Amino acid sequence: GQNIDQPTEMTATEGAIVQINCTYQTSGFNGLFWYQQHAGEAPTFLSYNVLDGLEEKGRFSSFLSRSKGYSYLLLKELQMKDSASYLCALWGLHSGSARQLTFGSGTQLTVLP
Amino acid sequence: DVKVTQSSRYLVKRTGEKVFLECVQDMDHENMFWYRQDPGLGLRLIYFSYDVKMKEKGDIPEGYSVSREKKERFSLILESASTNQTSMYLCASSLGGFTYGYTFGSGTRLTVV
Repeated sequence: GQNIDQPTEMTATEGAIVQINCTYQTSGFNGLFWYQQHAGEAPTFLSYNVLDGLEEKGRFSSFLSRSKGYSYLLLKELQMKDSASYLCALWGLHSGSARQLTFGSGTQLTVLP
Repeated sequence: DVKVTQSSRYLVKRTGEKVFLECVQDMDHENMFWYRQDPGLGLRLIYFSYDVKMKEKGDIPEGYSVSREKKERFSLILESASTNQTSMYLCASSLGGFTYGYTFGSGTRLTVV
């Protein structure tokens, strides 16, 4: 499969800022998604990057650099409810499969009081 | 809101049983997908479908089959369940344009004993 790498676990404090990185070894994809998944629940859409640069949505921002092969998700003003797994996924990674997402294994974020 | 419904939240089956996991979406999406999610491995694509009666193998199709007789329904079949198929199974759907990625069902946690 394709290598999409994320840290397995991260811990941060309530009110802080945390950056979750996602690196990959390909330049041939259509876009990059970030999903949030709470324990025992389905993943839910957070953000989507097609072009290089920063996409901001409230407390969450996502950045993509195709030339450097990485993305990050930035969470500001952390809240306890942000404790979840964060999944990075590439769209259209495989030739002839423009509609598929390929996922990294996820980063489990724990927010401490 | 798009809704993707998986028929069972929890299932316990015996080794060798034939198992059906059902997924229904209510927004006329062309694309439907079956993933399994295991700790440390992330989401791995089993099968997908872009149209009625159409199916394509994903990354880990061995031991599984699928059926899509109607646009809204995509079934995953375990022909003879084995203990290594104990996992969380997630169904997802998306529009052909794919701007906002997938909508996931709430998942089925299958235990094979």
